[in-house]
Amino acid sequence: KAGVTQTPRYLIKTRGQQVTLSCSPISGHRSVSWYQQTPGQGLQFLFEYFSETQRNKGNFPGRFSGRQFSNSRSEMNVSTLELGDSALYLCASGTSGEYEQYFGPGTRLTVT
Amino acid sequence: QKEVEQDPGPLSVPEGAIVSLNCTYSNSAFQYFMWYRQYSRKGPELLMYTYSSGNKEDGRFTAQVDKSSKYISLFIRDSQPSDSATYLCAMSPIYEHSGGSNYKLTFGKGTLLTVNP
Repeated sequence: KAGVTQTPRYLIKTRGQQVTLSCSPISGHRSVSWYQQTPGQGLQFLFEYFSETQRNKGNFPGRFSGRQFSNSRSEMNVSTLELGDSALYLCASGTSGEYEQYFGPGTRLTVT
Repeated sequence: QKEVEQDPGPLSVPEGAIVSLNCTYSNSAFQYFMWYRQYSRKGPELLMYTYSSGNKEDGRFTAQVDKSSKYISLFIRDSQPSDSATYLCAMSPIYEHSGGSNYKLTFGKGTLLTVNP
């Protein structure tokens, strides 16, 4: 079974721009979560989607948004990028009723 | 106080040593506990998960949860150089929604482990 895939793997953007990251979950997984990982803060929860509905949201500004499509694929968007948004963005998927999440390789975003 | 505290290390041990990794937490609502391993430039890989208090063993790995002390541990026996990675603890309350429970993991910052041949 294929794992979680994320595209692109690396991205360089300029302050003020916006960016869209994509995540394809493991086949059959309907839950997709997004996390931001930085050396200073570690892994922080952004939001979780299940069947196209956002079920939970972390403490991030409104510049961070996401959505999920009917095929469970998910995108997250960051608008008006700031230098502090440079991070590894990880997507994880899971099945209904289970707690284990399986992570993708991440998208490394660098904001200059 | 952070919800989850984990000693960042680094921890360096010789091959074959027993490794003990620990996390403490403050949120009594946490019911589900996980350990992830993350190699450099990779996403975290789920190692073990436990529900509530108790022990769970899987090969060379043993996870322990002590809810009364709000303390969880991961033991690695006969450590190998291939175990060199960052180990992250993660935990979650249980959210009940129609269609199943959701996921909101709170992670420790991770412990960097190096096993020397």
